Amino acid sequence: ETGVTQTPRHLVMGMTNKKSLKCEQHLGHNAMYWYKQSAKKPLELMFVYNFKEQTENNSVPSRFSPECPNSSHLFLHLHTLQPEDSALYLCASSQDRLGQPQHFGDGTRLSIL
Amino acid sequence: GQQLNQSPQSMFIQEGEDVSMNCTSSSIFNTWLWYKQEPGEGPVLLIALYKAGELTSNGRLTAQFGITRKDSFLNISASIPSDVGIYFCAGQLPTAGGTSYGKLTFGQGTILTVHP
Repeated sequence: ETGVTQTPRHLVMGMTNKKSLKCEQHLGHNAMYWYKQSAKKPLELMFVYNFKEQTENNSVPSRFSPECPNSSHLFLHLHTLQPEDSALYLCASSQDRLGQPQHFGDGTRLSIL
Repeated sequence: GQQLNQSPQSMFIQEGEDVSMNCTSSSIFNTWLWYKQEPGEGPVLLIALYKAGELTSNGRLTAQFGITRKDSFLNISASIPSDVGIYFCAGQLPTAGGTSYGKLTFGQGTILTVHP
Protein backbone atom coordinates (compact mmCIF):
# COMPACT_ATOMS: atom_id res chain seq x y z
CA GLU A 1 0.00 0.00 0.00
CA THR A 2 1.54 3.31 -1.01
CA GLY A 3 -1.03 5.60 0.67
CA VAL A 4 1.29 6.30 3.62
CA THR A 5 4.99 6.79 2.87
CA GLN A 6 7.71 6.86 5.49
CA THR A 7 11.33 7.91 5.06
CA PRO A 8 13.95 6.83 5.69
CA ARG A 9 13.21 3.10 5.84
CA HIS A 10 16.31 2.47 7.94
CA LEU A 11 18.25 4.78 10.23
CA VAL A 12 21.32 4.17 12.36
CA MET A 13 22.35 6.96 14.67
CA GLY A 14 24.47 7.66 17.67
CA MET A 15 23.03 8.79 20.97
CA THR A 16 24.15 12.37 20.45
CA ASN A 17 22.84 12.76 16.90
CA LYS A 18 19.77 14.67 15.78
CA LYS A 19 17.65 13.18 13.02
CA SER A 20 14.07 13.35 11.80
CA LEU A 21 11.60 10.77 10.55
CA LYS A 22 9.12 11.79 7.89
CA CYS A 23 5.65 10.54 7.09
CA GLU A 24 3.41 11.60 4.20
CA GLN A 25 -0.11 10.39 3.48
CA HIS A 26 -1.92 10.64 0.16
CA LEU A 27 -5.30 9.41 1.39
CA GLY A 28 -6.96 12.72 2.26
CA HIS A 29 -7.05 11.80 5.95
CA ASN A 30 -7.05 14.40 8.71
CA ALA A 31 -5.65 12.39 11.62
CA MET A 32 -2.08 11.09 11.84
CA TYR A 33 -0.33 8.89 14.41
CA TRP A 34 3.13 7.81 15.50
CA TYR A 35 3.59 4.30 16.94
CA LYS A 36 6.60 2.50 18.35
CA GLN A 37 6.87 -1.23 17.65
CA SER A 38 9.35 -3.18 19.75
CA ALA A 39 9.92 -6.92 19.61
CA LYS A 40 7.31 -8.97 21.47
CA LYS A 41 5.31 -5.92 22.52
CA PRO A 42 2.01 -4.52 21.29
CA LEU A 43 2.16 -1.40 19.16
CA GLU A 44 2.63 1.59 21.46
CA LEU A 45 0.81 4.77 20.49
CA MET A 46 3.11 7.77 20.89
CA PHE A 47 1.38 10.80 19.42
CA VAL A 48 -1.90 11.69 17.73
CA TYR A 49 -2.53 14.71 15.52
CA ASN A 50 -6.04 15.69 14.50
CA PHE A 51 -6.36 18.49 11.95
CA LYS A 52 -2.71 19.40 12.67
CA GLU A 53 -3.35 19.74 16.40
CA GLN A 54 -1.69 17.35 18.81
CA THR A 55 -4.46 15.63 20.69
CA GLU A 56 -2.49 12.97 22.50
CA ASN A 57 0.98 12.47 23.91
CA ASN A 58 1.26 9.11 25.61
CA SER A 59 3.91 10.10 28.17
CA VAL A 60 6.58 10.05 25.49
CA PRO A 61 10.03 11.31 26.57
CA SER A 62 10.92 14.78 25.36
CA ARG A 63 13.78 13.40 23.26
CA PHE A 64 10.98 12.59 20.77
CA SER A 65 9.45 15.74 19.31
CA PRO A 66 6.60 15.49 16.79
CA GLU A 67 5.67 18.09 14.21
CA CYS A 68 2.61 18.22 11.96
CA PRO A 69 2.79 21.18 9.53
CA ASN A 70 -0.33 20.10 7.64
CA SER A 71 -2.77 17.19 7.47
CA SER A 72 -0.61 15.31 4.97
CA HIS A 73 2.78 15.46 6.67
CA LEU A 74 4.05 14.30 10.03
CA PHE A 75 7.57 14.40 11.40
CA LEU A 76 9.25 12.86 14.42
CA HIS A 77 12.37 14.74 15.48
CA LEU A 78 14.87 12.67 17.42
CA HIS A 79 17.53 13.99 19.79
CA THR A 80 19.79 12.31 22.34
CA LEU A 81 18.13 8.93 22.02
CA GLN A 82 18.90 5.90 24.17
CA PRO A 83 19.65 2.33 23.05
CA GLU A 84 16.21 1.22 24.26
CA ASP A 85 14.70 3.56 21.68
CA SER A 86 15.80 1.19 18.92
CA ALA A 87 12.58 -0.05 17.33
CA LEU A 88 10.35 0.17 14.28
CA TYR A 89 8.54 3.52 14.17
CA LEU A 90 5.25 3.37 12.32
CA CYS A 91 3.16 6.23 11.03
CA ALA A 92 -0.57 5.84 10.39
CA SER A 93 -3.42 8.02 9.20
CA SER A 94 -7.20 7.88 9.29
CA GLN A 95 -10.30 9.94 8.82
CA ASP A 96 -11.31 11.69 12.00
CA ARG A 97 -14.53 9.73 12.44
CA LEU A 98 -15.37 6.89 14.77
CA GLY A 99 -15.01 3.55 13.05
CA GLN A 100 -12.52 4.70 10.43
CA PRO A 101 -9.55 2.32 10.34
CA GLN A 102 -5.97 3.47 10.41
CA HIS A 103 -3.70 2.89 7.44
CA PHE A 104 -0.02 2.33 8.15
CA GLY A 105 3.24 3.14 6.43
CA ASP A 106 6.03 0.57 6.24
CA GLY A 107 7.92 2.15 9.11
CA THR A 108 11.42 3.36 9.84
CA ARG A 109 13.73 0.81 11.43
CA LEU A 110 15.76 2.82 13.93
CA SER A 111 18.95 1.56 15.53
CA ILE A 112 20.70 3.54 18.25
CA LEU A 113 24.40 2.85 18.70
CA GLY B 1 -4.67 1.59 29.99
CA GLN B 2 -6.88 -0.72 27.95
CA GLN B 3 -5.51 -4.13 27.12
CA LEU B 4 -6.32 -6.70 24.50
CA ASN B 5 -5.35 -10.31 25.10
CA GLN B 6 -4.59 -11.96 21.78
CA SER B 7 -4.03 -15.69 21.48
CA PRO B 8 -2.28 -17.76 20.54
CA GLN B 9 1.03 -15.90 20.54
CA SER B 10 2.35 -18.10 17.74
CA MET B 11 1.19 -20.91 15.48
CA PHE B 12 3.11 -23.42 13.38
CA ILE B 13 0.85 -25.16 10.88
CA GLN B 14 0.96 -27.20 7.70
CA GLU B 15 -0.18 -25.75 4.42
CA GLY B 16 -3.87 -26.46 3.91
CA GLU B 17 -4.80 -26.35 7.58
CA ASP B 18 -7.32 -23.90 9.00
CA VAL B 19 -6.23 -21.26 11.53
CA SER B 20 -8.13 -19.60 14.35
CA MET B 21 -7.04 -16.76 16.60
CA ASN B 22 -8.90 -14.45 18.94
CA CYS B 23 -8.76 -11.32 21.02
CA THR B 24 -10.51 -10.62 24.29
CA SER B 25 -10.83 -7.53 26.43
CA SER B 26 -12.42 -6.42 29.66
CA SER B 27 -13.71 -3.33 27.80
CA ILE B 28 -16.44 -2.92 25.24
CA PHE B 29 -15.28 -1.84 21.78
CA ASN B 30 -17.21 -0.10 19.03
CA THR B 31 -15.02 -1.40 16.24
CA TRP B 32 -12.75 -4.39 15.80
CA LEU B 33 -10.02 -4.45 13.17
CA TRP B 34 -7.70 -7.20 12.02
CA TYR B 35 -4.31 -6.38 10.48
CA LYS B 36 -1.52 -8.48 8.98
CA GLN B 37 2.12 -7.44 9.09
CA GLU B 38 4.76 -9.05 6.89
CA PRO B 39 8.50 -8.69 7.49
CA GLY B 40 9.79 -5.25 6.59
CA GLU B 41 6.33 -3.80 6.10
CA GLY B 42 3.70 -1.98 8.09
CA PRO B 43 0.40 -3.55 9.20
CA VAL B 44 -2.17 -3.90 6.43
CA LEU B 45 -5.89 -3.86 7.19
CA LEU B 46 -7.59 -7.20 6.51
CA ILE B 47 -11.09 -6.87 7.93
CA ALA B 48 -13.08 -4.21 9.80
CA LEU B 49 -16.06 -5.08 12.01
CA TYR B 50 -18.59 -2.52 13.21
CA LYS B 51 -21.54 -4.34 14.81
CA ALA B 52 -21.86 -6.90 17.57
CA GLY B 53 -22.36 -10.34 16.03
CA GLU B 54 -21.13 -9.21 12.61
CA LEU B 55 -19.44 -11.88 10.53
CA THR B 56 -17.33 -10.63 7.61
CA SER B 57 -15.23 -12.47 5.05
CA ASN B 58 -12.32 -11.40 2.88
CA GLY B 59 -11.37 -14.31 0.64
CA ARG B 60 -10.21 -17.15 2.87
CA LEU B 61 -10.36 -14.92 5.94
CA THR B 62 -13.43 -14.65 8.16
CA ALA B 63 -13.72 -12.47 11.25
CA GLN B 64 -16.47 -12.03 13.79
CA PHE B 65 -17.36 -9.25 16.21
CA GLY B 66 -18.32 -10.95 19.48
CA ILE B 67 -21.85 -10.51 20.78
CA THR B 68 -20.56 -9.14 24.08
CA ARG B 69 -18.48 -6.57 22.10
CA LYS B 70 -15.49 -7.64 24.20
CA ASP B 71 -13.99 -10.13 21.79
CA SER B 72 -13.29 -10.94 18.16
CA PHE B 73 -12.16 -13.95 16.18
CA LEU B 74 -10.22 -14.38 12.94
CA ASN B 75 -10.23 -17.61 10.97
CA ILE B 76 -8.09 -18.45 7.95
CA SER B 77 -9.18 -21.42 5.88
CA ALA B 78 -6.90 -23.64 3.80
CA SER B 79 -3.72 -21.79 4.72
CA ILE B 80 -1.00 -21.17 2.13
CA PRO B 81 2.67 -20.17 2.57
CA SER B 82 1.96 -16.49 1.84
CA ASP B 83 -0.29 -16.33 4.92
CA VAL B 84 2.91 -16.14 6.97
CA GLY B 85 3.13 -12.99 9.07
CA ILE B 86 2.00 -11.39 12.30
CA TYR B 87 -1.73 -10.88 12.74
CA PHE B 88 -2.92 -8.09 15.03
CA CYS B 89 -6.33 -7.37 16.39
CA ALA B 90 -7.21 -3.79 17.27
CA GLY B 91 -10.20 -2.38 19.06
CA GLN B 92 -11.62 1.11 18.99
CA LEU B 93 -13.23 2.35 22.19
CA PRO B 94 -16.30 4.53 22.34
CA THR B 95 -15.09 8.12 22.49
CA ALA B 96 -15.59 10.47 25.41
CA GLY B 97 -16.06 14.20 25.31
CA GLY B 98 -15.23 15.90 22.06
CA THR B 99 -12.50 13.54 20.96
CA SER B 100 -13.52 11.82 17.77
CA TYR B 101 -10.29 10.40 16.37
CA GLY B 102 -9.92 6.69 15.80
CA LYS B 103 -7.59 5.76 18.64
CA LEU B 104 -6.88 2.02 18.61
CA THR B 105 -5.76 -0.49 21.21
CA PHE B 106 -3.70 -3.35 19.75
CA GLY B 107 -3.26 -6.96 20.76
CA GLN B 108 0.20 -8.47 21.12
CA GLY B 109 -0.02 -10.21 17.77
CA THR B 110 -0.13 -13.83 16.59
CA ILE B 111 2.92 -15.01 14.67
CA LEU B 112 1.82 -17.45 11.96
CA THR B 113 4.23 -19.86 10.30
CA VAL B 114 3.00 -22.09 7.49
CA HIS B 115 5.06 -25.10 6.45
CA PRO B 116 4.68 -26.15 2.79
